[in-house]
Amino acid sequence: AQKITQTQPGMFVQEKEAVTLDCTYDTSDPSYGLFWYKQPSSGEMIFLIYQGSYDQQNATEGRYSLNFQKARKSANLVISASQLGDSAMYFCAMREATGNQFYFGTGTSLTVIP
Amino acid sequence: EADIYQTPRYLVIGTGKKITLECSQTMGHDKMYWYQQDPGMELHLIHYSYGVNSTEKGDLSSESTVSRIRTEHFPLTLESARPSHTSQYLCASRLSSGGGLLLAGELFFGEGSRLTVL
Repeated sequence: AQKITQTQPGMFVQEKEAVTLDCTYDTSDPSYGLFWYKQPSSGEMIFLIYQGSYDQQNATEGRYSLNFQKARKSANLVISASQLGDSAMYFCAMREATGNQFYFGTGTSLTVIP
Repeated sequence: EADIYQTPRYLVIGTGKKITLECSQTMGHDKMYWYQQDPGMELHLIHYSYGVNSTEKGDLSSESTVSRIRTEHFPLTLESARPSHTSQYLCASRLSSGGGLLLAGELFFGEGSRLTVL
């Protein structure tokens, strides 16, 4: 079974609007971390935001927030006030506390339209 | 800003050549990883290391080899390159424990090495 599922291969959003990128995960480990990365066309992976499985509040970092719904095993990334520079691939990832590997989803390509 | 460096950034090479992709980090991270990624696709783990003299193969079968003789250095070698090895190779590292954001133990990535084998 896939550990991380991202069901949106491509998304479009109007500049200055908010967008939600979906991510669901599968684990039986009670302790885990969820991560979102941005990959511009230049290729580097940029860490955006982290959510721990025991965190009581949803993580926020500037315009990024993580909508964490533990019972549904979802960790959606919300980008508010989209900018042209947000156009990139976005990857959701998970690491279980019992392991050292990171599991990545297939990514969502976001295009911000002026 | 992450202090993890990969060289070369771009490499075009002929079939059968031996290549080494270099990866170095100056953050003292104990764990290091190599991922293979085709354009616009997911990342596949090919090798990882828990520390010096410790390496493991990842989920994706790879003909490459790695070594970890020093904490900061994690090179990947292909003894005989083939066109099927054409891809982007991403090196990453993390610290097992730490304070602040590092409690998350997130991966820091290098800028990648884009390999083309003709």
